[in-house]
Amino acid sequence: AQSVTQLGSHVSVSEGALVLLRCNYSSSVPPYLFWYVQYPNQGLQLLLKYTTGATLVKGINGFEAEFKKSETSFHLTKPSAHMSDAAEYFCAADYNQGGKLIFGQGTELSVKP
Amino acid sequence: DTGVSQDPRHKITKRGQNVTFRCDPISEHNRLYWYRQTLGQGPEFLTYFQNEAQLEKSRLLSDRFSAERPKGSFSTLEIQRTEQGDSAMYLCASTKTGSGDQPQHFGDGTRLSIL
Repeated sequence: AQSVTQLGSHVSVSEGALVLLRCNYSSSVPPYLFWYVQYPNQGLQLLLKYTTGATLVKGINGFEAEFKKSETSFHLTKPSAHMSDAAEYFCAADYNQGGKLIFGQGTELSVKP
Repeated sequence: DTGVSQDPRHKITKRGQNVTFRCDPISEHNRLYWYRQTLGQGPEFLTYFQNEAQLEKSRLLSDRFSAERPKGSFSTLEIQRTEQGDSAMYLCASTKTGSGDQPQHFGDGTRLSIL
């Protein structure tokens, strides 16, 4: 079955430290891939997307993600965490190019001062 | 671009009542999606429309759920005879087809609480 797996439901980092949030997809045919961020009681805001082309994708707020087909992964990174990065992060896949999104279970990022 | 708008933001109702939510997509977007998100989980797909046509429905969408998009603009999601398990955030998203790689833009959701 098509799925998205996010390793680690909670990640805690210190302010200024590297952020690494993991995401793996299930298909041998790479889907379109997305990272969204959700703040409490709000909808989802797009951070970045991968469809085709360059495998290192840059997004908003200093985030980037690298698509690795050999590892079926799309991990999200940020070199230096900021307090305002504390939120829930969701990885999502579109296996049908324009259809429904399949989401991972989410990773809650905490940033310690 | 005023974003995806959902109304109401919060709905509290008693078990057994019917509720209806509205979603207004971004104006030029022809695809509209509904998702349900329970606490601590990622959103789960419910259904989506291209213009006024409902193209796919999830098995999660029981007979008590119905969605419409009559004129290809706004959409409504109705839940009849609500149950405790319907308590969730209902998210709407929209996108524009054409290039195939357009991301979905989400509204802030309607949080449903069943007493």
